[in-house]
Amino acid sequence: DQQVKQNSPSLSVQEGRISILNCDYTNSMFDYFLWYKKYPAEGPTFLISISSIKDKNEDGRFTVFLNKSAKHLSLHIVPSQPGDSAVYFCAASARGSNYKLTFGKGTLLTVNP
Amino acid sequence: GAGVSQTPSNKVTEKGKYVELRCDPISGHTALYWYRQSLGQGPEFLIYFQGTGAADDSGLPNDRFFAVRPEGSVSTLKIQRTERGDSAVYLCASSWGSKGPRRPETQYFGPGTRLLVL
Repeated sequence: DQQVKQNSPSLSVQEGRISILNCDYTNSMFDYFLWYKKYPAEGPTFLISISSIKDKNEDGRFTVFLNKSAKHLSLHIVPSQPGDSAVYFCAASARGSNYKLTFGKGTLLTVNP
Repeated sequence: GAGVSQTPSNKVTEKGKYVELRCDPISGHTALYWYRQSLGQGPEFLIYFQGTGAADDSGLPNDRFFAVRPEGSVSTLKIQRTERGDSAVYLCASSWGSKGPRRPETQYFGPGTRLLVL
């Protein structure tokens, strides 16, 4: 069973607009969440993270929101830039799990000029 | 500073052969992870090292897979009697571990080794 789900395989937005990427999880033991960005033929690059004791974390153009009751998190990118075009992975870690990450399948974001 | 490096970047082998994949973590990182990413999927955990010891190998699919980290730095993932289903991108990641300046969950990934078993 998939514990981290990214239900949108792809998303297309215009440059300058907001990109919203969504992620749902089922494991209530998850207590830390991360977003990674991946370009073709490269490894995932860490973007931003959030602990379960918070509901929002912001870093420049990137903001992650966590809704624990809904087991849902989202990544907002404002404003979107063509260089943001990549696959975005949501990942989660459970307490007591040796910090290993469980990933979703990813969402391909395309930002059109 | 230098990031996580992995060699080779690509490996083509025949079914039944033995392969070794190498990972060189970020200097000072005590924790090292191996993940496997199949087409259309996210990375899946294989094994975790804290220092020299494998603290968690629960993700290894079977006993054909083995990994070592003898000096607590470089790690080698070894696959015996390769099968076509082993074809994937093998990713290595490192982190500070529980005593570092950042959360131990924040892992930094290498570019991966693309393994193709014919």
